[in-house]
Amino acid sequence: GESVGLHLPTLSVQEGDNSIINCAYSNSASDYFIWYKQESGKGPQFIIDIRSNMDKRQGQRVTVLLNKTVKHLSLQIAATQPGDSAVYFCADLFNFGNEKLTFGTGTRLTIIP
Amino acid sequence: SAVISQKPSRDICQRGTSLTIQCQVDSQVTMMFWYRQQPGQSLTLIATANQGSEATYESGFVIDKFPISRPNLTFSTLTVSNMSPEDSSIYLCSVAGFNYGYTFGSGTRLTVV
Repeated sequence: GESVGLHLPTLSVQEGDNSIINCAYSNSASDYFIWYKQESGKGPQFIIDIRSNMDKRQGQRVTVLLNKTVKHLSLQIAATQPGDSAVYFCADLFNFGNEKLTFGTGTRLTIIP
Repeated sequence: SAVISQKPSRDICQRGTSLTIQCQVDSQVTMMFWYRQQPGQSLTLIATANQGSEATYESGFVIDKFPISRPNLTFSTLTVSNMSPEDSSIYLCSVAGFNYGYTFGSGTRLTVV
């Protein structure tokens, strides 16, 4: 992911609507990508992952899309709920040998009741 | 995936003192990491905690400031030494690997006054 910024981008979505959170990563050789959700006062929680040989993966209410051509990752959350309000981070892994993740800036998602 | 217990969950410390943070994993894991998350920002890798040898530090982090121990495959500690207000952050322990996931502890919220 891109390196740290001082202010998190924010996204506000009406409850029940779909949300899309975007992330750019810098290393074209990254092989594995993860989306994390971080609620206030908690550590990052794994949501969904995708390998570089895929362009789409679906979970429960979440879909991750990978566009390697433009080094872009997105997280789609369907039918958002108040519990989806959190900060979302993408992370990429270049080397399965050292397992080091590089994190994106993060996006604060607020669900409006 | 592995379950991580991290403590303390939070602390308020005087400048010039040191704090040791503990990370306990419920299974033997090869790769353990320590991250820092400054207020409102993303996660930055401090170091890889190597079992039986010295930790591997990322650029900008040094052993004298952040000594790390890894006595076995389930436990690690991070010490924040000679603290200043700039060290106020969330410190996170993580384990990584395809066999047991890319999981984080709940974090230690440190405030230096």
